[in-house]
Amino acid sequence: EVQVLESGGGLVQPGGSLRLSCAASGFTFSSCAMTWVRQAPGKGLEWVSGVSSSGGGTYYADSVKGRFTISRDNSKNTLYLQMNSLRAEDTAIYYCAKFLWSGRTFDYWGQGTLVTVSS
Amino acid sequence: QSALTQPPSASGSPGQSVTISCTGTSSDVGGYNYVSWYQQHPGKAPKLMIYEVTKRPSGVPDRFSGSKSGNTASLTVSELQAEDEADYYCSSYAGSNTLGVFGGGTKLTVL
Repeated sequence: EVQVLESGGGLVQPGGSLRLSCAASGFTFSSCAMTWVRQAPGKGLEWVSGVSSSGGGTYYADSVKGRFTISRDNSKNTLYLQMNSLRAEDTAIYYCAKFLWSGRTFDYWGQGTLVTVSS
Repeated sequence: QSALTQPPSASGSPGQSVTISCTGTSSDVGGYNYVSWYQQHPGKAPKLMIYEVTKRPSGVPDRFSGSKSGNTASLTVSELQAEDEADYYCSSYAGSNTLGVFGGGTKLTVL
């Protein structure tokens, strides 16, 4: 059974940093692209970032480019999102999602971790 | 990276069919056959229902179907059931550096 489990969310002050983790199991992690998608309270979904299976290719939404860094450790089956210079508008549930490259779709999602940026 | 356009709400009675639209541009929906639909119940993670415009993942009932014409994609839910009441989001691939752009979501109410 495919499972992805996010952790690392919490309350952080504007301008602060936070690192999210996503532990994956039930599939060959090193063969799959992975992504982060967020959802602000009461709002819709927003794609944030993605990384290729090897980690050599990284992709970012304009809203986070230059502030967030996605990475992965295939030896630990873990995906990361380093978030710097956080803003109030980054407040959201952050979902880790497996990306099915052949279908360009987010096929398995975690339950999410809440990030709150507030003073 | 503009969001795709969905109606904020849709509704239907049990047993009826309802169709939700998703409008983009030639740079996303119209340019690729990579439209997906997700179902999200309150407080839950999104679940993939349709991908590559018309394909259903294993376990998704065939009451759910997708289509596309030009820059607009559609999700049709037939034989509505109470458990279909949820938020539905479309997404589209939008090029090599943008893995996905989402619609604003449609709240489906089963009357």
